[in-house]
Amino acid sequence: QSALTQPASVSGSPGQSITISCTGTSSDVGGYNYVSWHQQYPGKAPKLLIYDVSNRPSGVSNRFFGSKSGNTASLTISGLQAEDEADYYCTSYTSSKTLLFGGGTKLTVL
Amino acid sequence: QLQLQESGPGLVKPSETLSLTCTVSGGSISTSDYYWGWIRQPPGKGLEWIVSFYFSEKTYYNPSLKSRVTMSADTSRDQFSLKLRSVTASDTAVYYCAALSRWLTYIDFWGQGTLVTVSS
Repeated sequence: QSALTQPASVSGSPGQSITISCTGTSSDVGGYNYVSWHQQYPGKAPKLLIYDVSNRPSGVSNRFFGSKSGNTASLTISGLQAEDEADYYCTSYTSSKTLLFGGGTKLTVL
Repeated sequence: QLQLQESGPGLVKPSETLSLTCTVSGGSISTSDYYWGWIRQPPGKGLEWIVSFYFSEKTYYNPSLKSRVTMSADTSRDQFSLKLRSVTASDTAVYYCAALSRWLTYIDFWGQGTLVTVSS
């Protein structure tokens, strides 16, 4: 199974909005509403940001928004803050009952 | 709130077996609420899902690792374990244990991770 496709890096200025894409196939992203997103700071464990495409766990800021269209899911971060600088990974449930990660996207806040 | 903690050797020789244990607190691995699993991250690289199991049901494997992976559980201690056989340098990674949603659809809680280096 090949990794989901994410841009290697994105950047934005404080206060701006950015979007990170995550492209898969009809056997994973396109086939189920089971895309999740994790945030990871250097040297730390990932943290769940979004699950089931667009749901936020308790305590996650509403500046993080998830969506999906066809085989591509997206994470939008609005009102960019310095603390948002981190790596972001998408994950999708697959038809084989496995989990597939994206390659990760490094967000730089300019 | 669930907490997970990995433990095991930080150094393994090539061709040997990597063995890690995850201890769960704040909940029971016998619960119907979660799958349990392992994910790894080679230094400077992305995340890779390894294996997940749901108590009393089937275990699900990453196809690329299935032939070398065994996952087991000790419900009396609320621990589950990973064994990865015939390791090579490419198995060097931070290994995370995790609690996954009931339907295996997302990773809910992560351990802090433990670095395992494969080297002679």
